[in-house]
Amino acid sequence: GAVVSQHPSWVICKSGTSVKIECRSLDFQATTMFWYRQFPKQSLMLMATSNEGSKATYEQGVEKDKFLINHASLTLSTLTVTSAHPEDSSFYICSAATGTSGFNEQFFGPGTRLTVL
Amino acid sequence: GNSVTQMEGPVTLSEEAFLTINCTYTATGYPSLFWYVQYPGEGLQLLLKATKADDKGSNKGFEATYRKETTSFHLEKGSVQVSDSAVYFCALSSQGTSYGKLTFGQGTILTVHP
Repeated sequence: GAVVSQHPSWVICKSGTSVKIECRSLDFQATTMFWYRQFPKQSLMLMATSNEGSKATYEQGVEKDKFLINHASLTLSTLTVTSAHPEDSSFYICSAATGTSGFNEQFFGPGTRLTVL
Repeated sequence: GNSVTQMEGPVTLSEEAFLTINCTYTATGYPSLFWYVQYPGEGLQLLLKATKADDKGSNKGFEATYRKETTSFHLEKGSVQVSDSAVYFCALSSQGTSYGKLTFGQGTILTVHP
């Protein structure tokens, strides 16, 4: 149980275009979803936290107009990279958790590799 | 702010060797500490956790003890297997963080040869 999927697993796009990445909790309802970014040989950096039905909370330094997050249902969150540029190329990982208090284990998706040409 | 520092890899061991991956942290208050593992092609999975000082987390033969005096949470396993080859991440969650926000170390690649 507790499976999180991401789609697509990899994507290549041209500079200036927008890319949408989906994160789904397959067998549980996720009240909270997290989006991370990982550069090669570096740690996962939290980009934003989203709760179903409300606006996402972005970490300092993350452009909310560039990285649009929607958490419209308890099983789906999307990250849209708008007007992508080569510096946005990275590995994007989502996680999903149940509950909103204390530590609730996060279940991670396998990640999406974005390459912007 | 919070930070986690892991020993640099990659780490290469022979099967049945002893494993230690060092992890130290900086945080305010009393964080909870975690080790996550990422097998090739899969998402991160929680391996073990400890929520207060001197707690020992253990799972699948791996152990880590929460040492507040040295701000450390080193991962150990007495006899590694080829199937333990993966990337290991140390992480912390600050006390009072209502959504369990995690701060990760940079990850350590472990390769175990037969």
